[in-house]
Amino acid sequence: GENVEQHPSTLSVQEGDSAVIKCTYSDSASNYFPWYKQELGKGPQLIIDIRSNVGEKKDQRIAVTLNKTAKHFSLHITETQPEDSAVYFCAASRSSGTYKYIFGTGTRLKVLA
Amino acid sequence: GAVVSQHPSRVICKSGTSVKIECRSLDFQATTMFWYRQFPKKSLMLMATSNEGSKATYEQGVEKDKFLINHASLTLSTLTVTSAHPEDSSFYICSARAGLYSGELFFGEGSRLTVL
Repeated sequence: GENVEQHPSTLSVQEGDSAVIKCTYSDSASNYFPWYKQELGKGPQLIIDIRSNVGEKKDQRIAVTLNKTAKHFSLHITETQPEDSAVYFCAASRSSGTYKYIFGTGTRLKVLA
Repeated sequence: GAVVSQHPSRVICKSGTSVKIECRSLDFQATTMFWYRQFPKKSLMLMATSNEGSKATYEQGVEKDKFLINHASLTLSTLTVTSAHPEDSSFYICSARAGLYSGELFFGEGSRLTVL
């Protein structure tokens, strides 16, 4: 069945360093790839997304890259800060209102001050 | 981004009782909402897809008589955990797509259910 693999499961970085989280998807029809940040006891918050017609998207310290051929997409956080510490989930979906999202297993990012 | 409100955020109930969780899209209409369950330190497990005006579509292994979903309007979906048992204790999260052909999915804040 369709699935999304996410690595690493945990990641610790020093404040100011960069963090990279990678995902691989199986459904070749997927064309929308969002990233969510979930803080403890809260619902996931959309932080950035990318569509299949774009190879890279950047928003301040956060960037996402997509390689459709390889079915890979990655989240890059530069100049990490302690408040970036959270669980990050990638997802893959088709841009259809009823089509479900397939989520990765999550990455627990810890930024050490 | 669009706002999805979920209520209650925390609920404690006795075993055998039923609990209703509400999910509202505050500034947009959502023809489709999704309900997830999340175990500690785990990913989001899709329970069902809630469609306005029609029956929900449940994922394999999710008991539809146990988890009743109603999507009565374009801004409200409810999840009722019937005859709750301690094993139903979990974090339940709803989400809604902002637009029929839009990819963006926005989540509620989640509801932590504890069944004693």
